[in-house]
Amino acid sequence: KAGVTQTPRYLIKTRGQQVTLSCSPISGHRSVSWYQQTPGQGLQFLFEYFSETQRNKGNFPGRFSGRQFSNSRSEMNVSTLELGDSALYLCASSAGNTDTQYFGPGTRLTVL
Amino acid sequence: LAKTTQPISMDSYEGQEVNITCSHNNIATNDYITWYQQFPSQGPRFIIQGYKTKVTNEVASLFIPADRKSSTLSLPRVSLSDTAVYYCLVGDSSGAGSYQLTFGKGTKLSVIP
Repeated sequence: KAGVTQTPRYLIKTRGQQVTLSCSPISGHRSVSWYQQTPGQGLQFLFEYFSETQRNKGNFPGRFSGRQFSNSRSEMNVSTLELGDSALYLCASSAGNTDTQYFGPGTRLTVL
Repeated sequence: LAKTTQPISMDSYEGQEVNITCSHNNIATNDYITWYQQFPSQGPRFIIQGYKTKVTNEVASLFIPADRKSSTLSLPRVSLSDTAVYYCLVGDSSGAGSYQLTFGKGTKLSVIP
């Protein structure tokens, strides 16, 4: 079974731009969660989607948004990028019955 | 969400058994204990999960005392490739509702040749 995939793996943007990251969960998994990881703050939860609905949300500004499609693939969007948004963005999927989450390799976003 | 406390760092020689203990005094009845391993610039990798007593898989063992206020991840005969950050998390894995993982600082394990 293929694991969680994320695209792109690396991204460089400038302040003020927006970015869209993509995540394909493990086949059959309906829950997708997004996390931001920085050296200073560690791993922080952004939001979780289940069956195309946002089910849980972390403490991030409205510039961070996401969505999930009917095939469970998910996208995350960050608008008006700031230097502090530079981070490793991780996506995790779970089946929903045990809720054990499996992470993708992440997208390294650098904002200049 | 239950808060966890674990050592910031640990050193071990190759071939030794490593035990990392995590405290979670406010663990709830429905909470499971899960451990993840993370290498630099990679996503966390699921290691093991348990509810009570002892769980063992091909990678590690997890010991949970009766009061469940702590747990110990045991890595047998570590190698250099086990150098990583290890996270202990507790949360409701019953599937009853939404699930949000809260990561602490983790334990940075350094394996020395």
